[in-house]
Amino acid sequence: GAGVSQSPSNKVTEKGKDVELRCDPISGHTALYWYRQSLGQGLEFLIYFQGNSAPDKSGLPSDRFSAERTGGSVSTLTIQRTQQEDSAVYLCASSFGTGTGNTEAFFGQGTRLTVV
Amino acid sequence: AQKVTQAQTEISVVEKEDVTLDCVYETRDTTYYLFWYKQPPSGELVFLIRRNSFDEQNEISGRYSWNFQKSTSSFNFTITASQVVDSAVYFCALRSGNTGKLIFGQGTTLQVKP
Repeated sequence: GAGVSQSPSNKVTEKGKDVELRCDPISGHTALYWYRQSLGQGLEFLIYFQGNSAPDKSGLPSDRFSAERTGGSVSTLTIQRTQQEDSAVYLCASSFGTGTGNTEAFFGQGTRLTVV
Repeated sequence: AQKVTQAQTEISVVEKEDVTLDCVYETRDTTYYLFWYKQPPSGELVFLIRRNSFDEQNEISGRYSWNFQKSTSSFNFTITASQVVDSAVYFCALRSGNTGKLIFGQGTTLQVKP
């Protein structure tokens, strides 16, 4: 597609339920990133993928969070047993390979997650 | 440790004023990349510029200009003759070494009043 696509755009879930957030990167981009932005806050790094592997998952807040990427394309971020503090906008970005670092990341519109 | 600091939390100016957004970074790597992003009220992060650590040449693009100074570890962003449409949150970011991780500052909220 023309840009990074995230779905759903909004998700309201009950505390304790599992949720899956999807990211479809720009075609040809091998690197994919997940960030979280709480209301009025900065961007918190969660994880990034180079191809299907995740060299850095240091930002995942707890073992309730996991992410995978298959076929070097679509990625899914899963949050199990959601808590109210998980409420935030989850942003996905993609870029060409990060081997030399000199590539900018392009962001999707985000998924606004509300846990009630 | 790698860190990006945007000390200005909020800035308010009147249209047509010039405004500079400050960004200070920390890294021990000799190769790194700096970025500015804009987040308008719609919420989507928009890429503005990338600079490489080995290229200190400043850049001007229309009303935007960037001042990269390695001696002070700063990468400041100036908007000349600001407009209401410039109102947004602006983020400075750092990618250091061979890591793909982008580290963001806390952002500066710019309000341009008519």
